[in-house]
Amino acid sequence: AQSVAQPEDQVNVAEGNPLTVKCTYSVSGNPYLFWYVQYPNRGLQFLLKYITGDNLVKGSYGFEAEFNKSQTSFHLKKPSALVSDSALYFCAVRDLFSGGYNKLIFGAGTRLAVHP
Amino acid sequence: DGGITQSPKYLFRKEGQNVTLSCEQNLNHDAMYWYRQDPGQGLRLIYYSQIVNDFQKGDIAEGYSVSREKKESFPLTVTSAQKNPTAFYLCASSVVGNEQFFGPGTRLTVL
Repeated sequence: AQSVAQPEDQVNVAEGNPLTVKCTYSVSGNPYLFWYVQYPNRGLQFLLKYITGDNLVKGSYGFEAEFNKSQTSFHLKKPSALVSDSALYFCAVRDLFSGGYNKLIFGAGTRLAVHP
Repeated sequence: DGGITQSPKYLFRKEGQNVTLSCEQNLNHDAMYWYRQDPGQGLRLIYYSQIVNDFQKGDIAEGYSVSREKKESFPLTVTSAQKNPTAFYLCASSVVGNEQFFGPGTRLTVL
């Protein structure tokens, strides 16, 4: 079965320090991977995606993610955290059995708290 | 939130009442989706559609219904058969094969 796991419910980091939000996946083929961010009472905003190519993907707001096929991971990173980065982060993988529907399988989410 | 609008932002439902949540997009996307989000949980797929007059059940379709009469619109009806409808509802759209873009959400509360 295809799945996405975000092993940490919450990540705490001091402002200015690097941050990492972890994601691992399980799919039977080549994965399409996505990161989204959600601020309170808002919809999800797309941050970045990995389809193919360079394992380091750069996205919005200074975020990047590293695809590691051997570890089946797609961790989200930022070199220097801001208090405004505090939000709920979701990792997602495309359901390869959904045909042309582009269904996404979402992780449970990780709450990032950046402290001043 | 892109070119996807959801209305209303807040909705209150009485027991036994059907309510309809609106979702409109002007992105010319073929595919549209409805998700439910409960506090502290991830997103669960309710229904999805790729073309007009066609839609598929997601993981938690019981107690919900949809229509897709126009490419731009994908309304969700929460029926009285949905016993626990209090949640945050999110609509999304995408070009097939690409990332999904989300609306701002509707918070539904049962009185």
